[in-house]
Amino acid sequence: AQSVAQPEDQVNVAEGNPLTVKCTYSVSGNPYLFWYVQYPNRGLQFLLKYITGDNLVKGSYGFEAEFNKSQTSFHLKKPSALVSDSALYFCAVRDNGNAGNMLTFGGGTRLMVKP
Amino acid sequence: EPEVTQTPSHQVTQMGQEVILRCVPISNHLYFYWYRQILGQKVEFLVSFYNNEISEKSEIFDDQFSVERPDGSNFTLKIRSTKLEDSAMYFCASSYRSLNSPLHFGNGTRLTVT
Repeated sequence: AQSVAQPEDQVNVAEGNPLTVKCTYSVSGNPYLFWYVQYPNRGLQFLLKYITGDNLVKGSYGFEAEFNKSQTSFHLKKPSALVSDSALYFCAVRDNGNAGNMLTFGGGTRLMVKP
Repeated sequence: EPEVTQTPSHQVTQMGQEVILRCVPISNHLYFYWYRQILGQKVEFLVSFYNNEISEKSEIFDDQFSVERPDGSNFTLKIRSTKLEDSAMYFCASSYRSLNSPLHFGNGTRLTVT
């Protein structure tokens, strides 16, 4: 079975400071990892993905994430937070070791960026 | 940029009634999904659909639920006899390929069962 954990319900950061939103995963095969962002009353928007290759992946709006196989983590990062980054962030995983294509989401982390 | 569109944006129904939620996936996408989100919390997988049949479904997707792609463009989720606990935000998504393609989500249908 595949699963994702986002240990923080909320992350608070001041505008201009770096931010990190944590994610760990569990799969039987190799993981395909994704980050999505959700603004109020909207669907989930794709930010970035890790499939293979470089452990540091860059995505939309200046976000990046680092894949760490030994720690089974895929933390989302941004060097300088903006107030407009305040939203709900979801980490998700697919296990390429099974035949299904289901994407499993973590519980979400609310990011609050204060001016 | 192409979008996934969902209608209606909000549906109110009485317990025991049937509802149909509609989605138009991105036109060249091959895989279609329904997810739901209760009270803005965890996003739960319901079902995936490929080549005109269900490819995977969760425990939530019981006999009360069904999906259909009736005309090559629409993708529908039907709940036959709604329960109070079916109240949630239902999201449709589509993707071009399967495992390494991101899902593109619609803005959702908020279903309220009274």
